[in-house]
Amino acid sequence: ETGVTQSPTHLIKTRGQQVTLRCSSQSGHNTVSWYQQALGQGPQFIFQYYREEENGRGNFPPRFSGLQFPNYSSELNVNALELDDSALYLCASSQDRGSNTGELFFGEGSRLTVL
Amino acid sequence: SQQGEEDPQALSIQEGENATMNCSYKTSINNLQWYRQNSGRGLVHLILIRSNEREKHSGRLRVTLDTSKKSSSLLITASRAADTASYFCATDFSGSARQLTFGSGTQLTVLP
Repeated sequence: ETGVTQSPTHLIKTRGQQVTLRCSSQSGHNTVSWYQQALGQGPQFIFQYYREEENGRGNFPPRFSGLQFPNYSSELNVNALELDDSALYLCASSQDRGSNTGELFFGEGSRLTVL
Repeated sequence: SQQGEEDPQALSIQEGENATMNCSYKTSINNLQWYRQNSGRGLVHLILIRSNEREKHSGRLRVTLDTSKKSSSLLITASRAADTASYFCATDFSGSARQLTFGSGTQLTVLP
């Protein structure tokens, strides 16, 4: 158990809808990263939040957005859902290490199905 | 696109045998990490090796890094059925802090 919790664990949406996924980071961690993992693939970096600001972004369109709160928990929002957004969404917390990325502590993920 | 690529994609061995997985990457890195994922669940960090290190051990795990060949290997000795999982290498490549870039993984099956 990493201490990172995500909700909901599973959800089903239809194309065009919006979804919000939530993550509580491990105690003492100030950084939250979000990853998308399609079936049979490795996780792909969406973005990272540090001290409530976006601190790096992968190759995802603007309809993927996020927030980090003062208690370091975070939300991932996806608008105008597409079928290809069906995936496991993983949240990972860490303690910021400056220019190097250290060990990430992952939650169990939120599995999103878009019909 | 994936920075790291694992080889083989799938590996099936008997309990007690050793399992070796390889990872290749494309650009200079700060460090390389290995993670394990049980089916459909979160990833668990196994080991981190820095770019100036060549070998690292943790319990039954041995990781090597060859920066000249841009490759790493993960050896699991005396495998157990509970080691059945997907294994991913992840690179923290220079100039792109804040993110890890994962490969597509090796699916290891350990038969009892």
